[in-house]
Amino acid sequence: DQQVKQNSPSLSVQEGRISILNCDYTNSMFDYFLWYKKYPAEGPTFLISISSIKDKNEDGRFTVFLNKSAKHLSLHIVPSQPGDSAVYFCAASAGNYGQNFVFGPGTRLSVLP
Amino acid sequence: IAGITQAPTSQILAAGRRMTLRCTQDMRHNAMYWYRQDLGLGLRLIHYSNTAGTTGKGEVPDGYSVSRANTDDFPLTLASAVPSQTSVYFCASSGFTGELFFGEGSRLTVL
Repeated sequence: DQQVKQNSPSLSVQEGRISILNCDYTNSMFDYFLWYKKYPAEGPTFLISISSIKDKNEDGRFTVFLNKSAKHLSLHIVPSQPGDSAVYFCAASAGNYGQNFVFGPGTRLSVLP
Repeated sequence: IAGITQAPTSQILAAGRRMTLRCTQDMRHNAMYWYRQDLGLGLRLIHYSNTAGTTGKGEVPDGYSVSRANTDDFPLTLASAVPSQTSVYFCASSGFTGELFFGEGSRLTVL
C-alpha cells in the first residue's frame, strides 16, 4: 500500500489561474515533506519543502500547505505559467534523512496558454 | 558545475546480461542514492550510501548491487538483467540540508 498518494494523475489549468496539487500520506511518523518538479528527459529538481512544525511555507509563486490532522498537503502555484507544465512529485520522510524519503506517483500539470 | 552525471543516458540490453550504470557527483555530498521511476509508482529507492565505504538497501534492492569506494562515485550493477528491470534510473546525492539533487536519468530497456 502506498504511503504517499497523489490521487490525480493529471491536471490542466489555464495560464494565470491557480494550480492546486494534492498529496495524502498514511504514516503519522512523517515530519518532513518536499515537492519536486520533473521535466521530460530531465531529473527531478527540488521545488519547496515544509516541516511538520509549520502549516505553510511560501517561495515566490509556490506555497505548500500542510494539514497534519488530515495527513494532507497541497502545493499552490499562483499564477500558473506554461513553464510550470511538468510532473510534480510529493515526498515525505520521518526525519530529514535522504534514505527515508517516500515519493508519491506524481501529478502531471499542464498549463494551457 | 555538473552536479550529478549519469552514464549511459539510455541502453538496450538482452536479458541475462550484466550492466553497470555509472554515477558521479562533484558536490562532495556524503550521501548518494539510486532510484527507479516507473509509471504510476513514482520514485522508489533501490540502494543508498550515507558515506564512502557504506551502503544500505532501499525499498526495491533485489537484483541490484552498489559500491561506494569514494565520495564521488556510486555505480549501480545489475548482475543478470531481467525485463522487469526496464525502467528509468536516477542517481541522487544530498548534503547537510537533506535536499536531494538528481542526475538526468538512465533509461534502461531489458529485452
